[in-house]
Amino acid sequence: GQNIDQPTEMTATEGAIVQINCTYQTSGFNGLFWYQQHAGEAPTFLSYNVLDGLEEKGRFSSFLSRSKGYSYLLLKELQMKDSASYLCAVINSNYQLIWGAGTKLIIKP
Amino acid sequence: IAGITQAPTSQILAAGRRMTLRCTQDMRHNAMYWYRQDLGLGLRLIHYSNTAGTTGKGEVPDGYSVSRANTDDFPLTLASAVPSQTSVYFCASSPGSNQPQHFGDGTRLSIL
Repeated sequence: GQNIDQPTEMTATEGAIVQINCTYQTSGFNGLFWYQQHAGEAPTFLSYNVLDGLEEKGRFSSFLSRSKGYSYLLLKELQMKDSASYLCAVINSNYQLIWGAGTKLIIKP
Repeated sequence: IAGITQAPTSQILAAGRRMTLRCTQDMRHNAMYWYRQDLGLGLRLIHYSNTAGTTGKGEVPDGYSVSRANTDDFPLTLASAVPSQTSVYFCASSPGSNQPQHFGDGTRLSIL
């Protein structure tokens, strides 16, 4: 089967750094997305990785290792507004998007 | 403002009733999708359409049907609603199947 694993919940402190991990087992790989979803709202696109390495976009960075089936989302200088769920999703060989259940990130003052 | 519009925002429906959830996008995206999101299960794909005139089944298609008569509209129909279809439904679109998806605000559906 195909599956994506993420921690269910994480807690971090305002101003700190947090890393949210995602491991995947899919039939083929054509890219990986990270989305942010605030409670009661729609998911919004954060980042896309298709090659190994780190993609940096402001306070957010996303890393991919295709050989390990692993990605992480790194959030720096955490702000209270970063409290949300973070969804990892992988495009498989059939160009289907496989979604993880999401990681709920709680930011404490 | 370009984007995806879903209607209704929320609905309470009696079991056995027929219901159509509407989805319209004005970004001229080729691909459109319907998901349901339930607590702890993440997003599950119901149906998709890679281009106008074509549709496909996702992970959980039973009890749902879709049509794609044109590029902009992708309605989702529940022929005879059941309580297990209580969920939040999201419509999304993307230029292509390997590009980021843009989501509507969702429809909160309760089947009693």
